[in-house]
Amino acid sequence: SSELTQDPAVSVALGQTVTITCQGDSLRGYYAGWYQQKPGQAPVLVVYGRNNRPSGIPDRFSGSSSENTAFLTITGAQAEDEADYYCNSRDSSGHLHVVFGGGTKLTVL
Amino acid sequence: QVQLVESGGGLVKPGESLRLSCAASGFTFSDYYMSWIRQAPGKGLEWVSYISGSLSTINYADSVKGRFTISRDNAKNSLYMQMNNLKVEDTAVYYCATGSDWNPTPFDSWGQGTLVSVSS
Repeated sequence: SSELTQDPAVSVALGQTVTITCQGDSLRGYYAGWYQQKPGQAPVLVVYGRNNRPSGIPDRFSGSSSENTAFLTITGAQAEDEADYYCNSRDSSGHLHVVFGGGTKLTVL
Repeated sequence: QVQLVESGGGLVKPGESLRLSCAASGFTFSDYYMSWIRQAPGKGLEWVSYISGSLSTINYADSVKGRFTISRDNAKNSLYMQMNNLKVEDTAVYYCATGSDWNPTPFDSWGQGTLVSVSS
């Protein structure tokens, strides 16, 4: 199966903009989904497709991509955005699997 | 609204079996792909398996293929995972999650998870 690579940890000052990256060959053919997970809670989908947000997700969350990299941008990070963020996509190896990145711990300073 | 409730987790010994269930409500269950995703303690998310709404498409991660069997009962709005020959490394919180009507991912809605512990 193909892999998705994320930076283990990223920090951002309150109110500033932060971008979390996800790299992998499968992203050349498939869009990423992005999930937020807070301690003790289930993951929540925050961005998917070209740049879509499920109902109820603040518009400070946005997504983009370039070649083999997907980006999750939080514009004006809030204290409540401190969480783990995971990307995922379909596996491009032909096995029709689904893959997740290893996750990025976002700290809001 | 969409609600997913997992059950069936517990403590078992290596080699034993468990059957997880996921009760769904708030959407037309039979139209959607459903998946199981797990998370080992302190670790990241790992996709386990998915099944299409029509039951025609099923796939498994290599780590569970041949030991786990996903199924669904659309009349009961329920998703299942039969887990046989459990290993210590299967210890995790298991989540069920919805996909779309034509794609298993992205995972739109998630249950709260059920903990499976495998230990001698």
